[in-house]
Amino acid sequence: EEQLVESGGGLVQPGGSLGLSCVVSGFNFNSYWMHWVRQVPGKGLVWISRIKGDGTATFYADSVKGRFTISRDNINNRLYLQMNSLRAEDTALYYCARGTTSGATYFDRWGRGTLVTVSS
Amino acid sequence: DIQMTQSPSTLSASVGDRVTITCRASQNINSWLAWYQQKPGKAPNLLIYKASSLESGVPSRFSGSGSGTEFSLTISSLQPDDFATYYCQQYHLDGTFGQGTKVDIK
Repeated sequence: EEQLVESGGGLVQPGGSLGLSCVVSGFNFNSYWMHWVRQVPGKGLVWISRIKGDGTATFYADSVKGRFTISRDNINNRLYLQMNSLRAEDTALYYCARGTTSGATYFDRWGRGTLVTVSS
Repeated sequence: DIQMTQSPSTLSASVGDRVTITCRASQNINSWLAWYQQKPGKAPNLLIYKASSLESGVPSRFSGSGSGTEFSLTISSLQPDDFATYYCQQYHLDGTFGQGTKVDIK
C-alpha cells in the first residue's frame, strides 16, 4: 500500500524555524517528483514546493521562496521541508503529496498532513 | 501567476441530481487541469487529470471537460458519498488551485 506520513508540525513563534518530514512507502520513491501543499483550516489549497526524483531540481511558490527549503533522502524514502523565518500567515496544515514521474504537477497520493501554528 | 476561479462557491443538490462545477483559468493552460474531492478532516483525492482523464478507481459518474481557459467537472448522478468540496488545479505553470466548491445537501 502506498503511504505518506508527515511529522514535525507544532507551535512555533514568529521568526522561528521548524522542520517537517514525510516518510513514504509502497512505491518507488526516487522515481517521483514530490511536493508540499498547505491548507489553512477551512480554506483552500496552496502548492508551495516540489523536488525532482533525484533531488537535482527544486521549485518554490513566491510566498515561501528564500525561507523554505525542500529536500529528500532517497535511501530512507523521506521528504523534508525546512521552514525558516516563519510568519503567522504560514500557519496551516502541511501535506506531503506525490506528483508524477514526468514532472506534471498534480498529486495522486497525499499524506494526512501535519499542523504548523505560528504564534507568540 | 495563473489564477483559477471556480463557480459556484456553494452548490446545493439532491441525491440523483446532475451537478456541474466550472473552473476558469486566467490564461491558456491547454489541458493541464486536475480535479480533486476533499471531505472534512481528510486529504484531497484526485478525481481527474489532464482535464478529462479519470483517475484509476474513481467512479465513472465523474467526468471532466474543457481546454484552454474553461473547464468543468460533472457528476452525472449525485450519490451520498459525493457531498464534499471540489477543487480544480492548473499545472501548466507550477500548481494553482481554485478556491473550492462545496456541494451540500439541498
